[in-house]
Amino acid sequence: NAGVTQTPKFRILKIGQSMTLQCTQDMNHNYMYWYRQDPGMGLKLIYYSVGAGITDKGEVPNGYNVSRSTTEDFPLRLELAAPSQTSVYFCASSYRHLLLGPGAYEQYFGPGTRLTVT
Amino acid sequence: KNQVEQSPQSLIILEGKNCTLQCNYTVSPFSNLRWYKQDTGRGPVSLTIMTFSENTKSNGRYTATLDADTKQSSLHITASQLSDSASYICVVSKGGSYIPTFGRGTSLIVHP
Repeated sequence: NAGVTQTPKFRILKIGQSMTLQCTQDMNHNYMYWYRQDPGMGLKLIYYSVGAGITDKGEVPNGYNVSRSTTEDFPLRLELAAPSQTSVYFCASSYRHLLLGPGAYEQYFGPGTRLTVT
Repeated sequence: KNQVEQSPQSLIILEGKNCTLQCNYTVSPFSNLRWYKQDTGRGPVSLTIMTFSENTKSNGRYTATLDADTKQSSLHITASQLSDSASYICVVSKGGSYIPTFGRGTSLIVHP
């Protein structure tokens, strides 16, 4: 059981280039999330998904796209990289803690992808 | 607006000492509060999860408290170790929501 895995671990992009950050979970969780974390700041939600085929925007979706064709995978696409997208990106998945009542969704995070755009 | 505020922003202590981190929130209606530990270069890992009815929960040397009336939580670390050096993040969820609100974290450095 690998949990949440992300690739690549590090990447340097030139302005205007595109790339896909991969995220896979093997826990059969319905909910998946993409966050970015800038130095000294909290995690900001980019996109999330409540199940295969269903995605929605979070707090900072501009410049990103996602898809969810399977329960396991939730890739994040950057189409035209900009320096403002330099950050650490975390993927997470969650399930509902049935014994803890509504809203008790336990999130599990991947190790992160450190992206630099120059 | 749902917010989670943490203090202090950073903290330096000597190995073996105790410390307490604070979290104030305005998230409503409240469902649960979690403390995460994030080591440098890694993703956050859950330490504790507390619901409305719980006011104390321990995980080894980590003890979290919750006062749902004042909307405050604290994380107490006992007999700190070098491995406790990390960022500690307070996360609060609304009832029925699967999108939690994150604090900015407290950066803890434990010196030998």
